[in-house]
Amino acid sequence: AQTVTQSQPEMSVQEAETVTLSCTYDTSENNYYLFWYKQPPSRQMILVIRQEAYKQQNATENRFSVNFQKAAKSFSLKISDSQLGDTAMYFCAFSISNTGNQFYFGTGTSLTVIP
Amino acid sequence: GAVVSQHPSRVICKSGTSVKIECRSLDFQATTMFWYRQFPKQSLMLMATSNEGSKATYEQGVEKDKFLINHASLTLSTLTVTSAHPEDSSFYICSARLAGLTDTQYFGPGTRLTVL
Repeated sequence: AQTVTQSQPEMSVQEAETVTLSCTYDTSENNYYLFWYKQPPSRQMILVIRQEAYKQQNATENRFSVNFQKAAKSFSLKISDSQLGDTAMYFCAFSISNTGNQFYFGTGTSLTVIP
Repeated sequence: GAVVSQHPSRVICKSGTSVKIECRSLDFQATTMFWYRQFPKQSLMLMATSNEGSKATYEQGVEKDKFLINHASLTLSTLTVTSAHPEDSSFYICSARLAGLTDTQYFGPGTRLTVL
């Protein structure tokens, strides 16, 4: 069975500070993709960052970076220089390559950036 | 690029009526689209996978006669909630798969359905 666990239901961070959201997953597959999506109050799901499991280098997108530890099945998201617009629900997800790409989502972490 | 639209954004209907929600990939072709349901403060629950030109695949516990899915073209999938009841009130989100190396899903903005 494929599972995704986000153990932090809620987090807060001061504006301009750094915060890390944790995510662990479980799969017996070797080829898969990992994602972080952001869902602000508008409820539009926005892709934040993605990582191919076969790549050892951690993905980075501007202020967002991941710490991908394949052996530990861990995929945390680091947000640097937090901004008020980062306030949102963050969902970790993964999909298995070439299987129709069903997404397995975590339960989400609600992040609040405090001015 | 990779924009997905959804229409309508909000709909209110009477119990017993049917409601159709459209999901369009605006700038890419999507052989596969997905329909999710999301309850407040919860994660997305996959309802069905919609494949262009074939029947949708429904998740366990989702009534296929209740939630009719049609994926008639590479850019359009529709979800029809038939004989809607108040318990069908929810937020429905579609996504379209961008095939290729990254196999990423891009999401529509969602539809808030309220059944009176």
